[in-house]
Amino acid sequence: EAQVTQNPRYLITVTGKKLTVTCSQNMNHEYMSWYRQDPGLGLRQIYYSMNVEVTDKGDVPEGYKVSRKEKRNFPLILESPSPNQTSLYFCASSLSRLSEQYFGPGTRLTVT
Amino acid sequence: QKEVEQDPGPLSVPEGAIVSLNCTYSNSAFQYFMWYRQYSRKGPELLMYTYSSGNKEDGRFTAQVDKSSKYISLFIRDSQPSDSATYLCAVSNAGGTSYGKLTFGQGTILTVHP
Repeated sequence: EAQVTQNPRYLITVTGKKLTVTCSQNMNHEYMSWYRQDPGLGLRQIYYSMNVEVTDKGDVPEGYKVSRKEKRNFPLILESPSPNQTSLYFCASSLSRLSEQYFGPGTRLTVT
Repeated sequence: QKEVEQDPGPLSVPEGAIVSLNCTYSNSAFQYFMWYRQYSRKGPELLMYTYSSGNKEDGRFTAQVDKSSKYISLFIRDSQPSDSATYLCAVSNAGGTSYGKLTFGQGTILTVHP
């Protein structure tokens, strides 16, 4: 089944404790991105990657890191999480930048 | 000013009603217009994808784009309880440094009650 998977689905952590949210797609898509979704603000892009080893900032990159060492994986790293990073995070992938984006199921992160 | 504005609702309608969801955008460079549907505790999924002005129909759903007024709409005919979800409009352009980047509206929460 073609899909985007994210882990974990739910995470509660404390300020400053490094964490990684994994994202994997099995559709051989070149383009992957991370979004955060907050009430009243919609989906905002954090980082995106057009191919292996090619990443760039989206609209809200502060406090986040990404890497793209393999085509299928695009982890999101929070090196020192803060409470304002409490949010619902989505990973997405697409064949190209203008193609339909397929979203993962989301990761609900709470930073206390 | 946000690049894409969408009335967050919530919108509650009886089953069988015609639903109209709307967004406005500010940048005339946007050329691709999408509607995503997001069920509770799920990721968004693409519902409609249109390019440039005009209408596109798919079953009970019609997407409408008016580039002259920078206005996009989604109409749902004969709405069903299974249509209850958050609907997100999204826009994209085909050139420049933001090529292909999706900009989303805030989303409209729709409930269709039996």
